[in-house]
Amino acid sequence: NAGVTQTPKFRVLKTGQSMTLLCAQDMNHEYMYWYRQDPGMGLRLIHYSVGEGTTAKGEVPDGYNVSRLKKQNFLLGLESAAPSQTSVYFCASSRRTGSLRNTEAFFGQGTRLTVV
Amino acid sequence: SQKIEQNSEALNIQEGKTATLTCNYTNYSPAYLQWYRQDPGRGPVFLLLIRENEKEKRKERLKVTFDTTLKQSLFHITASQPADSATYLCALDSNQGGKLIFGQGTELSVKP
Repeated sequence: NAGVTQTPKFRVLKTGQSMTLLCAQDMNHEYMYWYRQDPGMGLRLIHYSVGEGTTAKGEVPDGYNVSRLKKQNFLLGLESAAPSQTSVYFCASSRRTGSLRNTEAFFGQGTRLTVV
Repeated sequence: SQKIEQNSEALNIQEGKTATLTCNYTNYSPAYLQWYRQDPGRGPVFLLLIRENEKEKRKERLKVTFDTTLKQSLFHITASQPADSATYLCALDSNQGGKLIFGQGTELSVKP
């Protein structure tokens, strides 16, 4: 059981380049999330999705776009990378309860992105 | 605006003692509150979830309390061990249909 898988694990981008981070989960979870983690800042929510075809903004959405065309995949795009987007990115998924609440979230291993 | 605050200062304790970590929040009501452990270079791992109508939850050496009046959760590790050294994060699932927000985490160091 793979759980949550992120690709790639590491990436170096030049300022202005674009890239897509892929998150895949095999647990049939409804909810999926993209977070970024910077030193001393904890996990900050970028975008999230409550189901296939739906996405919503989190705390720090600027400069990022997302898509959830299939229930098991959640893509995070950077259209024009900036040095401020240097960070570790985590994807997570969780099951939805009957009252639309979260159960435990499962995280991927992270993607370390450096923008130079 | 909604806010979650954890003690940003690292907590250093002696092996065998009880570690107590604090999570305070504002402008969330009601809520489910979760605690996670994160080791360096790894993604967070779920530990415990407590609902707004529960005062206390236990799992082995872990205990979580939840005071919705004070808007605070306390996370206790009893008989702490060096292997408990990690960063601990609290997270809130508000009633916004799936949104899960994390605090900045508290680093715990247990010395032998």
